[in-house]
Formats: sequence, C-alpha cells, structure tokens
Amino acid sequence: EAQVTQNPRYLITVTGKKLTVTCSQNMNHEYMSWYRQDPGLGLRQIYYSMNVEVTDKGDVPEGYKVSRKEKRNFPLILESPSPNQTSLYFCASSSRDYFDDEQFFGPGTRLTVL
Amino acid sequence: GIQVEQSPPDLILQEGANSTLRCNFSDSVNNLQWFHQNPWGQLINLFYIPSGTKQNGRLSATTVATERYSLLYISSSQTTDSGVYFCAVEMRFGAGTRLTVKP
Repeated sequence: EAQVTQNPRYLITVTGKKLTVTCSQNMNHEYMSWYRQDPGLGLRQIYYSMNVEVTDKGDVPEGYKVSRKEKRNFPLILESPSPNQTSLYFCASSSRDYFDDEQFFGPGTRLTVL
Repeated sequence: GIQVEQSPPDLILQEGANSTLRCNFSDSVNNLQWFHQNPWGQLINLFYIPSGTKQNGRLSATTVATERYSLLYISSSQTTDSGVYFCAVEMRFGAGTRLTVKP
C-alpha cells in the first residue's frame, strides 16, 4: 500500500530532551516536507526537501532540523524542544516539485513538550 | 507569498443537505488541493485540482484559475462528512472550514 508513515504517533516529552520524529514514504517520491498544525494558525510548513541531500526552510523552521540522506526518509529533529513546539506534526511527500503535483500526508504526530 | 482564504469558517448542516465551500487565492497557481481532516486528525486527499472540474461520488470541485477561486461541493451530506476542510494552494493552507453534519 502506498503510504507515508510517521513515528511515533504520540509523544510526551520534557523541555530540552532531544527527539526525532521519523517519516518514511514508499512511493519513490522526490519531494518531502514537514508541517505543524496549531489551533487558529492552520498548517505551516517547517522544512522541505526537493531530493536527497537537498533541504530548505519553510515558513517556521526555527528550533527544527531535518536531514535527507535517503530518498524514502525525512526525519524531523528537535534538538532542544520547548513548550511552544507542542503541536500536531505532519509529514508529506509528492512525486515532483510541489508546484506540479499532488501531496500525500502521513497520519500525524501529536507532540507535547512539558 | 500566496494568500489563501476559505469561507465560511464554520458550517452546520442537517444530514442530507448540500453545501458549497469556497477557497479564494491571491495569485495564479499551478497546484491546488482540497483535504478533509477527520475528527481523528488525519488529512485525507479529496481533490488535486489546479483547474477545471472533478467529481468523486457525492463530492465535486471546480477551480477557476483565471478568477482565483475554487469551490468544493458536498451533496447529500452525511455525519461522516464532519470535520475540517482545507484548501491548499502550492502547499500554503487556508484556515479551513469546519463542517458539522447533524443527524
């Protein structure tokens, strides 16, 4: 089944404890991205990647890191999480540049930072 | 960047009613999608529709790119249609329309 998977789905952590949210797609998509969703603010893009080893900042990159060492994986790293990073996170992928193609979203990761 | 506005922000319907959701955007686009976010938070692709009209069962969508708007039609609504509907233009999301369908 073609899909985008994220792990973990739910995570409660404490301020300053490094964490990684994994994202993987099995559709051989080139383009991947991360979003966060907050009440009243909608979905905002954090980082995106056009291909392996190519990443760029979205609208809200502060406090996050990403890497794209393999085509299928695009982990989101919070090196020192803070309470304002409590949010619902989505990973997405598409076969080409997002300007030209449909994006598919993972199931979401609900993160709480205490 | 592109501005995306959705209306109405909230919509309450009785089961069986029809509805139209609107998405206005500020610039010409190559990519427009409609999503449904269900009560469990999952984002479900409804339509990829940068222009033209598409239909899928009770749902259809029309994008008039030259006039910078898109419409999502839901006919014979069901309680399972409840949730938030998002329009995303070149992956910039609108604020959504929260639909509640009452039995």
